Amino acid sequence: GENVEQHPSTLSVQEGDSAVIKCTYSDSASNYFPWYKQELGKRPQLIIDIRSNVGEKKDQRIAVTLNKTAKHFSLHITETQPEDSAVYFCAALTTDSWGKLQFGAGTQVVVTP
Amino acid sequence: NAGVTQTPKFQVLKTGQSMTLQCAQDMNHEYMSWYRQDPGMGLRLIHYSVGAGITDQGEVPNGYNVSRSTTEDFPLRLLSAAPSQTSVYFCASSYSWPPHQPQHFGDGTRLSIL
Repeated sequence: GENVEQHPSTLSVQEGDSAVIKCTYSDSASNYFPWYKQELGKRPQLIIDIRSNVGEKKDQRIAVTLNKTAKHFSLHITETQPEDSAVYFCAALTTDSWGKLQFGAGTQVVVTP
Repeated sequence: NAGVTQTPKFQVLKTGQSMTLQCAQDMNHEYMSWYRQDPGMGLRLIHYSVGAGITDQGEVPNGYNVSRSTTEDFPLRLLSAAPSQTSVYFCASSYSWPPHQPQHFGDGTRLSIL
């Protein structure tokens, strides 16, 4: 089955700096890679996603890049703000059975003023 | 349009008790799923459904049962609660399967097993 590894587990950045979170996946047939943000005590919410036919996608300060050959994808947050502090999860859609999302273990991002 | 509604929000059980976590969505989504979230382990899939009458196991299905008699509801049953099932449980839905579309999560149920 699919295995998703996420690094780092914690990330502390100064306000205004960039943050990068990396994930690797094992199933070369995976074709959909979403990123979720979860604030403390809240539900996970989708912030950006990318499909395997695209190498990069950007939405304001957030971007995701995908390297299918190396089987890794990354989340980039530029000009970080205190409200970016949260846990971020990457996921990959498996191709077995009906299709399931396999999540990474999460990255705790802390943005300090 | 309430989205995904989970009940209860909090529950404390004794070892060996059974209970049902409720999940309902009003978006006419075909795909529904249950996850558990434990510290440092992300979200792990318990069971999922691609439509009424169709369910399948996820990564950690042992000790849990599901059924999908209607499009709207997807309850999760704990057969005989164990302390290892202490966790936060999230229900999610998306428009179709495979879940290429965003998954909409409920607010979660925080479950403690004593």
